[in-house]
Amino acid sequence: SAVISQKPSRDICQRGTSLTIQCQVDSQVTMMFWYRQQPGQSLTLIATANQGSEATYESGFVIDKFPISRPNLTFSTLTVSNMSPEDSSIYLCSVVDRRRETQYFGPGTRLLVL
Amino acid sequence: SQQGEEDPQALSIQEGENATMNCSYKTSINNLQWYRQNSGRGLVHLILIRSNEREKHSGRLRVTLDTSKKSSSLLITASRAADTASYFCATAATGANSKLTFGKGITLSVRP
Repeated sequence: SAVISQKPSRDICQRGTSLTIQCQVDSQVTMMFWYRQQPGQSLTLIATANQGSEATYESGFVIDKFPISRPNLTFSTLTVSNMSPEDSSIYLCSVVDRRRETQYFGPGTRLLVL
Repeated sequence: SQQGEEDPQALSIQEGENATMNCSYKTSINNLQWYRQNSGRGLVHLILIRSNEREKHSGRLRVTLDTSKKSSSLLITASRAADTASYFCATAATGANSKLTFGKGITLSVRP
């Protein structure tokens, strides 16, 4: 299974600011995803981070709000821009091992926006 | 939109009892995966069942899949207090390029 780390693990931010979350995988993976989990809710897919091309966003999520980078096959970043209290969530990255179809998740970044 | 819908939404049992959680989905799938989440932390992958499989076992876990009814169940046998967590089913829809759609989750409490 893939070992995934995220930084920071948690943060408290002021509204109007931006936060960049890093996701590092211990092996090269083709597909990486970013999810959001709002308080008490389930996970919602934000976007697929594609290496060498722009991310593919799900309905309701836009690049200006959630810019994503994927410079190589082991690393990705998600920026939450111009934050508001409604952005307070846990943000999780995940990767899929195509051979096994299993999707593994990072430990998450817990964000609180005041 | 959420594809998986689990029931019950909350389950409280005594240690040693079995816990059964159900998940229903709407579209054709490649596979269905169950995850556990402790206290808002990261998700731990429990088990994956493919659309051409009907049942899988892993330790104290047993998963079934009925594609005709578009439903799955997760059975945890001989539950322990450490099994207390939220459980999610997630489906990889056919042609969805590995993207997962999660259900709302089930909160399981195992009383010691």
